[in-house]
Amino acid sequence: EPEVTQTPSHQVTQMGQEVILRCVPISNHLYFYWYRQILGQKVEFLVSFYNNEISEKSEIFDDQFSVERPDGSNFTLKIRSTKLEDSAMYFCASSEVPGANVLTFGAGSRLTVL
Amino acid sequence: GENVEQHPSTLSVQEGDSAVIKCTYSDSASNYFPWYKQELGKRPQLIIDIRSNVGEKKDQRIAVTLNKTAKHFSLHITETQPEDSAVYFCAANNAGNMLTFGGGTRLMVKP
Repeated sequence: EPEVTQTPSHQVTQMGQEVILRCVPISNHLYFYWYRQILGQKVEFLVSFYNNEISEKSEIFDDQFSVERPDGSNFTLKIRSTKLEDSAMYFCASSEVPGANVLTFGAGSRLTVL
Repeated sequence: GENVEQHPSTLSVQEGDSAVIKCTYSDSASNYFPWYKQELGKRPQLIIDIRSNVGEKKDQRIAVTLNKTAKHFSLHITETQPEDSAVYFCAANNAGNMLTFGGGTRLMVKP
C-alpha cells in the first residue's frame, strides 16, 4: 500500500534554530498538507499546498513557517526560528483531490525544542 | 471557520460492549466527515468516513451516522475488543481542503 514518508522521525533542536521537516507524498497525489499535534492534544491544520503554491493556511502558520516542493517528490516544512511552543508531532499528509477525499498521513516527525 | 466538538473525552467500556462517540460541527458547507484512530505514538489512521449525501455507513463492527440538519455525526463500535483501545478523532472538512479535528476520545476497552 502506498505510504507518505517523513524524515526525520525525531529532531531535537535549540530554541532559535531553523528546522526543516521533509515529506515524500504518495506519488499520484496532488494535494499536500502539514498538520501539527501537540502532545496529548488534537490534530491541528497548518497548511495545504497545491500546484506549487499554498492554497490554505491556518492562524498557526505564521511568518516563521514556510513550505516548499523543491523537486518532484519532496515536500518540506521549514520553521525559521523555533520556539519552545513549536515542540509537537508534525504530520504530513497527501490526497488525490482536495475536500471530500481521503487524507493519508505520514508517521510524523517529532520536534523537540529545548 | 469550522468548529468541531467531540464527546466524551474518555470512554471506558467492557469488552464486548458497544461504544458511541459523538461530534458536532458548525459549518453547514462541510460535506466530508472522516473518523481516525490513533494509537499511542502512531499516525492517525482513517477507519471510516461518510459524505453528506448519505445518512449512515457501516463497515463490519464500525458504523457512522450523520444528521446534517442537526450538524452532528457519531461513531458506533459494536462488540468492542481490547485492540480497539486508542484515541479516536472525528473531523469535518471546510469548503476548501482543510480538515478540522475534534478534541479526541480516549477509548479504553477492558478485557
